[in-house]
Amino acid sequence: GGIITQTPKFLIGQEGQKLTLKCQQNFNHDTMYWYRQDSGKGLRLIYYSITENDLQKGDLSEGYDASREKKSSFSLTVTSAQKNEMAVFLCASSQGISNERLFFGHGTKLSVL
Amino acid sequence: GDSVTQTEGQVTVSESKSLIINCTYSATSIAYPNLFWYVRYPGEGLQLLLKVITAGQKGSSRGFEATYNKETTSFHLQKASVQESDSAVYYCALSGGSNAKLTFGKGTKLSVKS
Repeated sequence: GGIITQTPKFLIGQEGQKLTLKCQQNFNHDTMYWYRQDSGKGLRLIYYSITENDLQKGDLSEGYDASREKKSSFSLTVTSAQKNEMAVFLCASSQGISNERLFFGHGTKLSVL
Repeated sequence: GDSVTQTEGQVTVSESKSLIINCTYSATSIAYPNLFWYVRYPGEGLQLLLKVITAGQKGSSRGFEATYNKETTSFHLQKASVQESDSAVYYCALSGGSNAKLTFGKGTKLSVKS
């Protein structure tokens, strides 16, 4: 089996701050994803990557950057945190795309003061 | 765009009773989407419960079942007899086509009372 590790588990930021979330997987999966979950809403795709150095925008990419420098890691940057923003960011990976099973991390909970 | 609508909020069921969580989908860009149920148990990460990629087929796992109904665009999750350990948040989702996107519903929190 494998595991997806997200760091940090909790992230508190200031308005306007640039914040980076990290994700590591040891499944040797090709595809990795970043989803955002807001209270009472479904998960929304921010970015995904189908291989090392590849980046694809999801529905919610504005305000975010992502980086896939290694196959095993995928980082997400909030370019300018919004005041009172609160959400959980979920990283996931899969061997392929489309109908493949996704494996998720436990999430990073973001709070912006 | 594509969307998934499922039973909203929280559902409370007594142990050993039956359960149904409704899920309907709209797939404007995909003729035959792949359909999934994911689950998050307390303290754990989101994980796949079951998936069906062929219309008319049924998927099952851990006593749960869901049938891919293309006519009614539905993928309801059912269990004949729930246990306290089934308490979790359940998400219906779809994917398909050439992109990697999974479109999720808002989630349904199931509480099973003894």
